[in-house]
Amino acid sequence: QKEVEQDPGPLSVPEGAIVSLNCTYSNSAFQYFMWYRQYSRKGPELLMYTYSSGNKEDGRFTAQVDKSSKYISLFIRDSQPSDSATYLCAVLKAAGNKLTFGGGTRVLVKP
Amino acid sequence: EAGVVQSPRYKIIEKKQPVAFWCNPISGHNTLYWYRQNLGQGPELLIRYENEEAVDDSQLPKDRFSAERLKGVDSTLKIQPAELGDSAVYLCASSPTDRGSDEQYFGPGTRLTVT
Repeated sequence: QKEVEQDPGPLSVPEGAIVSLNCTYSNSAFQYFMWYRQYSRKGPELLMYTYSSGNKEDGRFTAQVDKSSKYISLFIRDSQPSDSATYLCAVLKAAGNKLTFGGGTRVLVKP
Repeated sequence: EAGVVQSPRYKIIEKKQPVAFWCNPISGHNTLYWYRQNLGQGPELLIRYENEEAVDDSQLPKDRFSAERLKGVDSTLKIQPAELGDSAVYLCASSPTDRGSDEQYFGPGTRLTVT
């Protein structure tokens, strides 16, 4: 069993729709939760970073963490074609440790 | 602020040949990471440096892979000899962990094709 599971997609939505992404993880020792966006032939770009359970909002992006069920989510409101990318969730046990990534979900926002 | 710089961006080599990748982290970031990303998968850590010290190289295939970070800034990752299964994107990342941040910033990667 992988430490972080993520549906590979692709997830296709019309422009303006809400994109809902999620990951599950297996180890309760993970304390930090991140979402990265990766465009084709580019490196991952940090989108959201949260510590422990709760919600965090940044513009059109909302990240949620539920440590009791080991479930993390990312919501993208008013999606744009420029949001078309692969979204990777990542978890971390402590500062400076290695990131453990999910496999990524490919998202396509159609105009 | 300049991001993480990597070179070359693309490399095609024949199996059994050597290859090297170079990374310049964000200025002031003392932690440097090398990840490998296979097609359709998330990145997986190969090695982590704190300044010039390799503090986690447990996932580095040491029979053919080597890395160095002289003077605690730039880093080089080498494969010798390369195998077909080494075809992947090699990503470098850095973070300012001495300032209490866990955020890792990635470079564009080097896409390696072994034929």
